[in-house]
Amino acid sequence: EIVVTQSPATLSVSPGERATLSCRASESVGSNLAWYQLKPGQAPRLLIHGASNRATGVPVRFSGSGSGTEFTLTISGLQSEDFAVYYCQQSKKWPFLTFGGGTKVEIK
Amino acid sequence: QITLKESGPTLVKPTQTLTLTCTFSGFSLNTSGVGVAWIRQPPGKALEWLALIYWDDDKYYSPSLTNKLTISKDASRNQVVLTLTNIDPVDTATYYCVHSPPWENIFAHWGQGTLVTVSS
Repeated sequence: EIVVTQSPATLSVSPGERATLSCRASESVGSNLAWYQLKPGQAPRLLIHGASNRATGVPVRFSGSGSGTEFTLTISGLQSEDFAVYYCQQSKKWPFLTFGGGTKVEIK
Repeated sequence: QITLKESGPTLVKPTQTLTLTCTFSGFSLNTSGVGVAWIRQPPGKALEWLALIYWDDDKYYSPSLTNKLTISKDASRNQVVLTLTNIDPVDTATYYCVHSPPWENIFAHWGQGTLVTVSS
């Protein structure tokens, strides 16, 4: 099983600043990496797929990068609605995919 | 607009069978390439993919839970059903129903989830 590790577990950021979230896979997954946003009581939201492709309707302040084993989600100019938990997910052998442990982005 | 809604019991006793239903709208499971999956999240823990069913009735299960899970569909009723047998307290989680668009290996739309607690 491919293990996915996210860091940091918690990220404290002031509104308007940039947040950089990391995701590492235990083996190369190519570009088969997605990012999701979870908020309490809401349906999870797909942000990024294929490592760098924004999903429909996702603001341009969200960007994904990386390939192989190292990936980054960058949120430029954090807005109040962006404080949430973010998960990355690898799908090298779809649909036998695995998720990271999550990064909580909180208000500093 | 695609929506998915999970339904089922909120409290289940250990060793029982849990049956969850996903009722969706905005797409059809008769459409080539479409899939519906179940994913869960135990309290304070990470997301875990459980099962996926495609329009052609092709089914996939998490290797660690394959003996415990059954996924099925009723395309005419726009529903997907997941059963978990011999339920255990570690199965306490929020269960999500998720849509996979035609021929895209992504989980594009999610339901809000339903919290199931396993306790005697």
